[in-house]
Amino acid sequence: GAGVSQSPRYKVAKRGQDVALRCDPISGHVSLFWYQQALGQGPEFLTYFQNEAQLDKSGLPSDRFFAERPEGSVSTLKIQRTQQEDSAVYLCASSSRASNEKLFFGSGTQLSVL
Amino acid sequence: GENVEQHPSTLSVQEGDSAVIKCTYSDSASNYFPWYKQELGKGPQLIIDIRSNVGEKKDQRIAVTLNKTAKHFSLHITETQPEDSAVYFCAASVSGGGSEKLVFGKGTKLTVNP
Repeated sequence: GAGVSQSPRYKVAKRGQDVALRCDPISGHVSLFWYQQALGQGPEFLTYFQNEAQLDKSGLPSDRFFAERPEGSVSTLKIQRTQQEDSAVYLCASSSRASNEKLFFGSGTQLSVL
Repeated sequence: GENVEQHPSTLSVQEGDSAVIKCTYSDSASNYFPWYKQELGKGPQLIIDIRSNVGEKKDQRIAVTLNKTAKHFSLHITETQPEDSAVYFCAASVSGGGSEKLVFGKGTKLTVNP
């Protein structure tokens, strides 16, 4: 595709439900990142993949958060037993480089936990 | 870890004036400093970046300066236009060092009045 695609665009979940957020990076991009953006704040790093390898997951807030990129392309961020504090925009970004340079961001998934 | 401070949080200018946004960082090992523009409902878009071996970089109406000694960097937009209105984020990281975490500032909401 022309850019990074994220789905769904909006997700409303009841507290305690599991959610799965999908990211389709730009074709051929090596690096893939997930960021969390709270209202009125800058994005905060969650995790980083280089191809299918998850090289850094230090930003995942708890063991309820899990990310995968099994074939080195599409990635899924899963949140189990959602809590109200999980409400945020989840941004995915990709880069053709094996680094954080020249990131292309998707429009994000806005998650609201009620 | 890295901490990035950004100011001002809001900036209002008249069309045609210049706008300056400033950031400071804490980790002297940081070597990559991108600036992102985020419009409402969209993901951040890279507008310019600079590496630590360069003191200044320009791209048309946009320039970034870096002072490694003082650990601060700035974004300069000249001849502002209404379409420059958006939230701007600075970020800092150690790129290519194994950890590819970008640490963002809290953002500056720029309004350009016609």
